[in-house]
Amino acid sequence: KNEVEQSPQNLTAQEGEFITINCSYSVGISALHWLQQHPGGGIVSLFMLSSGKKKHGRLIATINIQEKHSSLHITASHPRDSAVYICAVAPLGGGATNKLIFGTGTLLAVQP
Amino acid sequence: NAGITQTPKFQVLKTGQSMTLQCAQDMNHEYMSWYRQDPGMGLRLIHYSVGAGITDQGEVPNGYNVSRSTTEDFPLRLLSAAPSQTSVYFCASSYVARPWSNEKLFFGSGTQLSVL
Repeated sequence: KNEVEQSPQNLTAQEGEFITINCSYSVGISALHWLQQHPGGGIVSLFMLSSGKKKHGRLIATINIQEKHSSLHITASHPRDSAVYICAVAPLGGGATNKLIFGTGTLLAVQP
Repeated sequence: NAGITQTPKFQVLKTGQSMTLQCAQDMNHEYMSWYRQDPGMGLRLIHYSVGAGITDQGEVPNGYNVSRSTTEDFPLRLLSAAPSQTSVYFCASSYVARPWSNEKLFFGSGTQLSVL
């Protein structure tokens, strides 16, 4: 069983829909990251979380440390949000960006 | 422009050849790392460094070598390429961040490597 599991693996949405991507993990962590990988392959860091919630524009990330679960929400989705969204965790004992364990990603397609 | 530069973008090697993937950042980041991305799998850590002169192995280090002689550069060497090393490689860098900070991890643009 992978230490970081994401769901769903694939998601198709209509423009304007509210989207939720889930991430569950099985190890103790110092931080959790949400990343975006565009079709061209480049990877961009969206959020680093250790507790609570963070918001940036139409993106919201939440984490529940007790339940070992995080969600990434996209409000008013747009075709330009189409990408692979990757969850990664930094295990306890290392730094917040060190030795990350990655999920396999959620492929999101937003149709106009 | 400040950022992280990874070269080359594409490379084809024959089995047994050696090569070096270059990664350089100008943000004075302490932490640099190399990951490989294979279909159906999450990125996996090859080697990492927390500062000049300090390197350590990640999850999949076999067949790869690294050094960190300066803060800016963290090259990844394939000593004798094998078909199992066909993959997409990413370098990444950051400050050694605290979990409550807003520090981000920066990724290079990736290298698509094919070993025939």
